[in-house]
Amino acid sequence: AQTVTQSQPEMSVQEAETVTLSCTYDTSENNYYLFWYKQPPSRQMILVIRQEAYKQQNATENRFSVNFQKAAKSFSLKISDSQLGDTAMYFCAFMKHANYGQNFVFGPGTRLSVLP
Amino acid sequence: KAGVTQTPRYLIKTRGQQVTLSCSPISGHRSVSWYQQTPGQGLQFLFEYFSETQRNKGNFPGRFSGRQFSNSRSEMNVSTLELGDSALYLCASSLDSGVLYNSPLHFGNGTRLTVT
Repeated sequence: AQTVTQSQPEMSVQEAETVTLSCTYDTSENNYYLFWYKQPPSRQMILVIRQEAYKQQNATENRFSVNFQKAAKSFSLKISDSQLGDTAMYFCAFMKHANYGQNFVFGPGTRLSVLP
Repeated sequence: KAGVTQTPRYLIKTRGQQVTLSCSPISGHRSVSWYQQTPGQGLQFLFEYFSETQRNKGNFPGRFSGRQFSNSRSEMNVSTLELGDSALYLCASSLDSGVLYNSPLHFGNGTRLTVT
């Protein structure tokens, strides 16, 4: 079974600064997908960024980027130029490749506070 | 395009009762999955439906069941409610889990269930 670990329950960062959220996972699969979701106080989970395991290039979405280290099974999220609206719970998620079926495994989450 | 709609947003039930939660996916999305979110256990996968068939199931007792209709709308039912069932129940839809990279999960705002 796959597991996802986020070792930082809470983090804070000053507005406009950069912060990195850690995520490690355990799997014996070779093909899989990794995601970062954010959940603001409104409760809705929003996809931040995604990475396919077979792609060596790290994914980037505007101010969000990842550092994907497949051998180390590490998938950290870097938020640059942090904004107040980035305050949320951040979940790292793993999904193995399959011909059918959705079964995400989520980490416990990191609560990020962006301070003015 | 309308997002994933979950009803009701809040629900209060007593132990022993049953409850039905509803989820309307994004138009065109055929996969609907359900997650239970609690402070202690985080996000846990309940089950996934695709074309009216349950394709994946998490490790939850048989009191938790679901179904999907021909229009892809889904319902989740919990019978004989227990205090531990108090949680935020999230529904997520995706286009087609056969093309995983292009089918991230789109979440609804959830139903907050309180069992007293």
